[in-house]
Amino acid sequence: DIQMTQSPSTLSASVGDRVTITCRASQSISSWLAWYQQRPGKAPKLLIYKASSLQTGVAPRFSGSGSGTEFTLTISSLQPDDFATYYCQQYNSYSGGFTFGPGTKVDIK
Amino acid sequence: QLQLQESGPGLLKPSETLSLSCSVSGGSISSNSDSWGWVRQPPGKGLEWIGSIFHSGSAYYNPSVKSRVTISVDTSKNQISLKLRSMTAADTAVYYCVRSRGYASGWTDSWGRGTLVTVSS
Repeated sequence: DIQMTQSPSTLSASVGDRVTITCRASQSISSWLAWYQQRPGKAPKLLIYKASSLQTGVAPRFSGSGSGTEFTLTISSLQPDDFATYYCQQYNSYSGGFTFGPGTKVDIK
Repeated sequence: QLQLQESGPGLLKPSETLSLSCSVSGGSISSNSDSWGWVRQPPGKGLEWIGSIFHSGSAYYNPSVKSRVTISVDTSKNQISLKLRSMTAADTAVYYCVRSRGYASGWTDSWGRGTLVTVSS
């Protein structure tokens, strides 16, 4: 099974800050990685798929990069709505299914 | 606009079987490019994939629940269903119905609002 890790687990930042979250896979997943944002009490929202493709309607301050086993999500200028928990997800599973990372909570410094 | 709506009981006793349905509107569950499934989230914890199904009926399950779970599809009603047997307190979670872009695996671009299922005696 492919395991996913994220760092940091919690990140304190201010509005306007540039924020980077890292996700690592236990084996190569090519570019089969997605990023999600989840606000409290809400369903996750897709931000990025195929490691770097921006989902339609998502603000361009969000960007993704990486391939193989190491990936990053960058928020270029943190906005008040961006304080949330972010999850990565690998979907390179020939036996079906996917695995989420443990999440990174972005809170107000 | 694709919408997914979960329905089912919110409270179960230990050892009971959970039965949830997900009605899909604004799109066809028979799409050849999508699979449909369930993701759950225990209170205050992360996301866990339970399983996915293609409109043909081919299903894939998380090994952690594979012995207890069945996901089925009803193309005539445009809905999928989840059955999870022998529920315990550890199964208490918000259960989300999801669409994934791909046959067996893919990014998840649509989520239902989720339904909280509590297991308690």
